[in-house]
Amino acid sequence: AQSVAQPEDQVNVAEGNPLTVKCTYSVSGNPYLFWYVQYPNRGLQFLLKYITGDNLVKGSYGFEAEFNKSQTSFHLKKPSALVSDSALYFCAVRDTSGTYKYIFGTGTRLKVLA
Amino acid sequence: DTAVSQTPKYLVTQMGNDKSIKCEQNLGHDTMYWYKQDSKKFLKIMFSYNNKELIINETVPNRFSPKSPDKAHLNLHINSLELGDSAVYFCASSQELSSGRNEQFFGPGTRLTVL
Repeated sequence: AQSVAQPEDQVNVAEGNPLTVKCTYSVSGNPYLFWYVQYPNRGLQFLLKYITGDNLVKGSYGFEAEFNKSQTSFHLKKPSALVSDSALYFCAVRDTSGTYKYIFGTGTRLKVLA
Repeated sequence: DTAVSQTPKYLVTQMGNDKSIKCEQNLGHDTMYWYKQDSKKFLKIMFSYNNKELIINETVPNRFSPKSPDKAHLNLHINSLELGDSAVYFCASSQELSSGRNEQFFGPGTRLTVL
């Protein structure tokens, strides 16, 4: 079964420090991987995706993610965290069996401390 | 211009009632989705339509019935509401045909509270 795991419920980081939000996946075939962010009382917003090509993907708001096929990971990173980055982050993988289904992780709450 | 809109934003109703949530997207996408987000923020796919055809129908009680009158609209009707239906329901859309895109655009959500 295809799945995605976010092992941390919450990540705390000081403002200005680098941040990492972890995601691992399990799919058959080549994965389509996504990161979304959800601010309080809002819908999810797309941050970045990996479909093919360069393993380091750059996205919105200074975020980037590294696709690692051998470790089946797609960790979200940012070199210098901002308090405004505090939100709920979701990793997602697209089902590769042709159903158009997206499987979301359980979410990681990022808290950036001033 | 709002890309994916939902109405209403809040819905408070009594158990046993029937209610509908509407969703519209102006992005020209061919695929639309309904998700349920529970109180722990878990996001679960419920339904998906591609060009008005139902393509995903997860294990959802048959009290929930989606309807897609055209590619830009996907509505969700819920019969005989139960306490456990209380959640935030998100509509989303994506373009699935070629283009290499596929990221989903989400609506603002409808917070359903069943009393």
